Amino acid sequence: DAKTTQPPSMDCAEGRAANLPCNHSTISGNEYVYWYRQIHSQGPQYIIHGLKNNETNEMASLIITEDRKSSTLILPHATLRDTAVYYCIVRVNAGGTSYGKLTFGQGTILTVHP
Amino acid sequence: SAVISQKPSRDICQRGTSLTIQCQVDSQVTMMFWYRQQPGQSLTLIATANQGSEATYESGFVIDKFPISRPNLTFSTLTVSNMSPEDSSIYLCSVVSGRLWEQYFGPGTRLTVT
Repeated sequence: DAKTTQPPSMDCAEGRAANLPCNHSTISGNEYVYWYRQIHSQGPQYIIHGLKNNETNEMASLIITEDRKSSTLILPHATLRDTAVYYCIVRVNAGGTSYGKLTFGQGTILTVHP
Repeated sequence: SAVISQKPSRDICQRGTSLTIQCQVDSQVTMMFWYRQQPGQSLTLIATANQGSEATYESGFVIDKFPISRPNLTFSTLTVSNMSPEDSSIYLCSVVSGRLWEQYFGPGTRLTVT
């Protein structure tokens, strides 16, 4: 699986949009971009994933550049409860024994301030 | 989505003993995974446990140290054997579920070995 690079930490004011970047310059054509977050003392929570088109769900939006070498997770109106470690992961979305093998990096610690 | 519970939620154990962690899912799932998160670190996959087959271990993890059972499609156990303080970690169960093949995580078991 391709390696990802994320800033170690970011701050955001409550109510503002939080834009979390991720570089994945070695991503392969069949690898998806996944985002998870881990709130303190809890298990990781799935947020969103995509291949090449921008995606949106009730939690966030995912913007993937045209060359797919980077992406941005957008939390449109951050709240204090969004304070967490955010992980960007790239992975082949296929079956077999490698499925589910998420390789977690160090992630970005997002702190939302009042 | 899949709802995952783990028992115990936390435990303090003595060196040389063993602890069995239980993972229960509210729906039938084929693929179940065990992760470890050492203090201040990211998550590392220990093994993949599919029902009806032997667990597949990642590099650095062996069956004698982390035996796994998967008796049915909703349950699995991970045993941490002959524990040492280096085994102090959060152990997380995870499954793949849903129409988008999202991966869900349990709340984790916080283990402290003294």
